[in-house]
Amino acid sequence: DVKVTQSSRYLVKRTGEKVFLECVQDMDHENMFWYRQDPGLGLRLIYFSYDVKMKEKGDIPEGYSVSREKKERFSLILESASTNQTSMYLCASTGNTDTQYFGPGTRLTVL
Amino acid sequence: DAKTTQPPSMDCAEGRAANLPCNHSTISGNEYVYWYRQIHSQGPQYIIHGLKNNETNEMASLIITEDRKSSTLILPHATLRDTAVYYCIVSSPHSGTYKYIFGTGTRLKVLA
Repeated sequence: DVKVTQSSRYLVKRTGEKVFLECVQDMDHENMFWYRQDPGLGLRLIYFSYDVKMKEKGDIPEGYSVSREKKERFSLILESASTNQTSMYLCASTGNTDTQYFGPGTRLTVL
Repeated sequence: DAKTTQPPSMDCAEGRAANLPCNHSTISGNEYVYWYRQIHSQGPQYIIHGLKNNETNEMASLIITEDRKSSTLILPHATLRDTAVYYCIVSSPHSGTYKYIFGTGTRLKVLA
């Protein structure tokens, strides 16, 4: 079974802090994705990566950056957290098929 | 990118079939239809997907109309544990991978 893990289930940070959200997959998948989920808006794509050191902006990249130094790990970075980045963050990965496998999510609160 | 439209909520009696509809009238020929579900505070879970033929697996059946403009997810014998938000997604080729466009889903409540 594919396993996608995220570093924290719950995280509380202060405005202006730099925040790292980490995602690890154990199936040698090429593609990895970061989404945020907000009530009434569904899941929205922030960034994705189709190979090590490769990244592409999704639909809402503003205020975020990403890093993919190793194939199994994809990090989402909030350079200076703001209250409007309070959300559920979900990571996913895909291999040869386009079926995305999701992690459990990180609920981030920015105070 | 093709969008999907789903009813916001549905109820189903335990043991009965749950039929969840989805409209995707702007779908293109190379775009797949995917269904996921999300139980509260967890990540979305893959259920089933298809291109143009009907599909069945151990969890559900997927019926896609001939013109591919709509589909129905069928849970044949719903249980209380099937209470969740169900997302119908169109998967579009994008930069060497596939991009999912999520709608707001259908909140299914299975009643005892």
